[in-house]
Amino acid sequence: EAGVAQSPRYKIIEKRQSVAFWCNPISGHATLYWYQQILGQGPKLLIQFQNNGVVDDSQLPKDRFSAERLKGVDSTLKIQPAKLEDSAVYLCASSLAARGTDTQYFGPGTRLTVL
Amino acid sequence: AQSVTQLGSHVSVSEGALVLLRCNYSSSVPPYLFWYVQYPNQGLQLLLKYTSAATLVKGINGFEAEFKKSETSFHLTKPSAHMSDAAEYFCAVSRENNRLAFGKGNQVVVIP
Repeated sequence: EAGVAQSPRYKIIEKRQSVAFWCNPISGHATLYWYQQILGQGPKLLIQFQNNGVVDDSQLPKDRFSAERLKGVDSTLKIQPAKLEDSAVYLCASSLAARGTDTQYFGPGTRLTVL
Repeated sequence: AQSVTQLGSHVSVSEGALVLLRCNYSSSVPPYLFWYVQYPNQGLQLLLKYTSAATLVKGINGFEAEFKKSETSFHLTKPSAHMSDAAEYFCAVSRENNRLAFGKGNQVVVIP
């Protein structure tokens, strides 16, 4: 079974530029998550989708971050404009559903460096 | 709100020695608890999870964890460390809608 796919793996941009990340979850997984992992910290949830609807985006900086999950499969996360403090690894995860016992499977992440 | 605490960002252990990583949780309801491992430049991989069944949970790669309600703990152990265990380990608690709240992580260094 294929895992969660993410691209690109690495991205370097200058501040005020825009960037987009792509995620393809495990087939059949209804729930998709985007996490931000700053160096030396645990991942922090940015947004959670159930199929193509948003369940929780309370931690998403909506003035610069946006995300969508069209057709309830792939998802993109965009930052515009980027700030220095956005340098982090962006992890995508998926699970069968949103029950507390459902295991989240993580992709390899996209490492973003903002100069 | 549910949260977890991991103390000591870096943990050094000799090869063959016991690995012990501590995790304490804060939750007003019985929690679901998880341990994930992250190898360099990779995503997180589930080691084990507690979902209110047996309190002693066995995971992959020889790891296990014991849920102790009286101590609000879910410590991770492995009897004998291997060089391949060098990685970062995260404890997490599941909140409503399966949102995970992670601890700060423990970077494990295995000394030959």
